[in-house]
Amino acid sequence: VQVLESGGGLVQPGGSLRLSCAASGFTFSIHAMTWVRQAPGKGLEWLSTFGGSGATTYYADSVRGRFTMSRDNSKNTLYLQMNSLRAEDTAVYYCAKNNDFWGGYFDYWGQGTLVTVSS
Amino acid sequence: EIVLTQSPGTLSLSPGERATLSCRASQSVTSNYLAWYQQKPGQAPRLLIYGASSRATGIPDRFSGSGSGTDFTLTISRLEPEDFAVYYCQQYGSSLPWTFGQGTKVEFK
Repeated sequence: VQVLESGGGLVQPGGSLRLSCAASGFTFSIHAMTWVRQAPGKGLEWLSTFGGSGATTYYADSVRGRFTMSRDNSKNTLYLQMNSLRAEDTAVYYCAKNNDFWGGYFDYWGQGTLVTVSS
Repeated sequence: EIVLTQSPGTLSLSPGERATLSCRASQSVTSNYLAWYQQKPGQAPRLLIYGASSRATGIPDRFSGSGSGTDFTLTISRLEPEDFAVYYCQQYGSSLPWTFGQGTKVEFK
């Protein structure tokens, strides 16, 4: 099992960025997938979970309306579209595989991609 | 929102000693859907325990989880040098948002 994030970088406040997460080694379509972030020197924050094929997407209040999670099961890839970025969105963003279709714990994590929001 | 409070914030121990980490929830965790993760500097978190007491694949048996309802414990029976890290608990029950504790750092004494 492998998950690999990409797309991080430096963006100005109010800007947008799209993160990708390429997954392999498991049946992508039948597992929920999740984004978690970690601000510098801080703890872990759950952001959003997208259930398996056709299932619901859930968001934390801190990103609802600004971030949109999507998945392309034909490409085994997860996305996080981040709009209206703020300085407090600066963090390492992790993609994680959930253990089942609807959600559950996070059994495999990527190495993370750093997003820096600064002028 | 279920708030998870971990204690202590920092645990100073020596290799070979026993580590006991606590995670207390502000309300009962559905079906004991409580996980523990280990994170080392510069690395991604790694799943240790799920369902409060089940070890994840490849996790040594010196790691054990216990508890139910609102009180959970991660025990490391004999610390190895590679166990010095930050540990997070997380609830993944029916109550959204899924939340993490603030972490307990296990450091060399």
